[in-house]
Amino acid sequence: GNSVTQMEGPVTLSEEAFLTINCTYTATGYPSLFWYVQYPGEGLQLLLKATKADDKGSNKGFEATYRKETTSFHLEKGSVQVSDSAVYFCALARIGYQKVTFGTGTKLQVIP
Amino acid sequence: DVKVTQSSRYLVKRTGEKVFLECVQDMDHENMFWYRQDPGLGLRLIYFSYDVKMKEKGDIPEGYSVSREKKERFSLILESASTNQTSMYLCASVTTSQGNYGYTFGSGTRLTVV
Repeated sequence: GNSVTQMEGPVTLSEEAFLTINCTYTATGYPSLFWYVQYPGEGLQLLLKATKADDKGSNKGFEATYRKETTSFHLEKGSVQVSDSAVYFCALARIGYQKVTFGTGTKLQVIP
Repeated sequence: DVKVTQSSRYLVKRTGEKVFLECVQDMDHENMFWYRQDPGLGLRLIYFSYDVKMKEKGDIPEGYSVSREKKERFSLILESASTNQTSMYLCASVTTSQGNYGYTFGSGTRLTVV
């Protein structure tokens, strides 16, 4: 079956530090891949997506590249801000299927 | 801006009450979902619907039912609320007519059962 594995949190960084949150997946075929962000007390928001191998999704300074050979979709940001403190979820959806499979989430805390 | 709206942000209900959580989307999406989110357990799918009057069980349907009488509205029903149903409930929708480009989520309903 499909599964998503992401690094355990929490991750604590100082402002302006470089961020990497690792995500690997298992799926048949070629799924679409997503990163969602959840700010405290809110629902999830789609942060970025990639629909085929070697695609790079990007938004708000965050990037992730769909790596088919390593089945990975790591989230990166060059310089984090306090406002980036949130929980980040990696997820996948198989082509033609409605359901999205989520990782367990990684909490990021950025300190001034 | 496209939206998924959940009727309540916070609810407090008593054990044994019948509870209705409402979700409305304005994107003409055919698929709608109910998840619950608990610390350490991530998101767990309760039920989903891929069309009006159609529903399928997710991973944890026990103690819940759903209703989808109109395309834009998907209701989650707790038949007899229990304290172990205290949780954050998230509604989401997606269209797959041209591929799955990711869910749109509502803001969530934090339900406390006392």
